[in-house]
Amino acid sequence: DTEVTQTPKHLVMGMTNKKSLKCEQHMGHRAMYWYKQKAKKPPELMFVYSYEKLSINESVPSRFSPECPNSSLLNLHLHALQPEDSALYLCASSRGQADGEKLFFGSGTQLSVL
Amino acid sequence: GEDVEQSLFLSVREGDSSVINCTYTDSSSTYLYWYKQEPGAGLQLLTYIFSNMDMKQDQRLTVLLNKKDKHLSLRIADTQTGDSAIYFCAAQLNGGYNKLIFGAGTRLAVHP
Repeated sequence: DTEVTQTPKHLVMGMTNKKSLKCEQHMGHRAMYWYKQKAKKPPELMFVYSYEKLSINESVPSRFSPECPNSSLLNLHLHALQPEDSALYLCASSRGQADGEKLFFGSGTQLSVL
Repeated sequence: GEDVEQSLFLSVREGDSSVINCTYTDSSSTYLYWYKQEPGAGLQLLTYIFSNMDMKQDQRLTVLLNKKDKHLSLRIADTQTGDSAIYFCAAQLNGGYNKLIFGAGTRLAVHP
């Protein structure tokens, strides 16, 4: 199994809603990542978890709250988002967080905030 | 910080070779990657090169690295319509955090 699975594929939410994005991998990878990709732009790193501990937070607003319940799962909890948060949210994993560990990406969740 | 630049668009005829170029600014980047993204999909790792290599070949893909000029290229031989996608160059920042900086992406259009 070489897949990173993200659910849901599409999500529409209002600015007062609370929702969660989910990501799962069964490759035994110990590093997991959230990236945000706006339309026609490159992906930008949001968070990195290594061995289930948050190791990088790229100054992301607190309305985005990551969680790594175990080594296979990564969640992104969303609350009080703004329309400008609409984007493709990509999850990735790698064997470890050392330099050169290849990232494997999921297909993403396309989020629209109304 | 690291900056990665790519040309935004490339159009080629089916069967020809495609060459996508990328430049980066941080000479200490040790790993450089090429990812492919099809519409509505995630990123697929195509290939990568370590900074002490000049060239890497993998079937139809050839990566060339000019470390002096900080220039990376991806050549796709015998380009097919299925190769139409956005291609991202990414450089890894040194420091043990495996953080990638992506270029803006090159849209490759393959026409008959």
